[in-house]
Amino acid sequence: QKEVEQNSGPLSVPEGAIASLNCTYSDRGSQSFFWYRQYSGKSPELIMFIYSNGDKEDGRFTAQLNKASQYVSLLIRDSQPSDSATYLCAVKLGPGNTDKLIFGTGTRLQVFP
Amino acid sequence: DAGITQSPRHKVTETGTPVTLRCHQTENHRYMYWYRQDPGHGLRLIHYSYGVKDTDKGEVSDGYSVSRSKTEDFLLTLESATSSQTSVYFCAISDETGGEKAFFGQGTRLTVV
Repeated sequence: QKEVEQNSGPLSVPEGAIASLNCTYSDRGSQSFFWYRQYSGKSPELIMFIYSNGDKEDGRFTAQLNKASQYVSLLIRDSQPSDSATYLCAVKLGPGNTDKLIFGTGTRLQVFP
Repeated sequence: DAGITQSPRHKVTETGTPVTLRCHQTENHRYMYWYRQDPGHGLRLIHYSYGVKDTDKGEVSDGYSVSRSKTEDFLLTLESATSSQTSVYFCAISDETGGEKAFFGQGTRLTVV
């Protein structure tokens, strides 16, 4: 089992819709969770982070965390073609593990006009 | 972009030759990381540094070495390049242990022929 799992996609949504990106992780002790956006041929860019159970909103982005289910998601409201990119989920493993940031393989999002 | 520069941006080298990639930061961040990104594997940590002359191995460190003689510079050396080391290499910097909220460089595309 991979430590951080994401569906590779592509996830295709129409412009204006809500895109829902999901990520599961295996280490129950994980404390910190991050979403990076990576445009094709570019470097990853941090867009959201969440530490506590529940929702965290920033503009059109909402991160959701459910530690009991070991599940973190990213919602993008009013999706735009410029949101088309690969979204990487990253998890900082818990103390006593590696204390490193482990990345999923990413979900490719396509927003069509 | 955060003040982080990778050089070279592209390189083609022959099997068996040594290769050094450079990461330079102007942010005075304590932590620096080298990742490689491959299709189907996502970002994987090669080595990291938590201070001058303080380095440690990541999950895919075999065949790689690093050095950090100054806060601003982190060098990644492929001691004897192999075709399996063909990849995109990213340097990242962070103020936080574990690479949380990391800023990434532009990446180096390395091809070993």
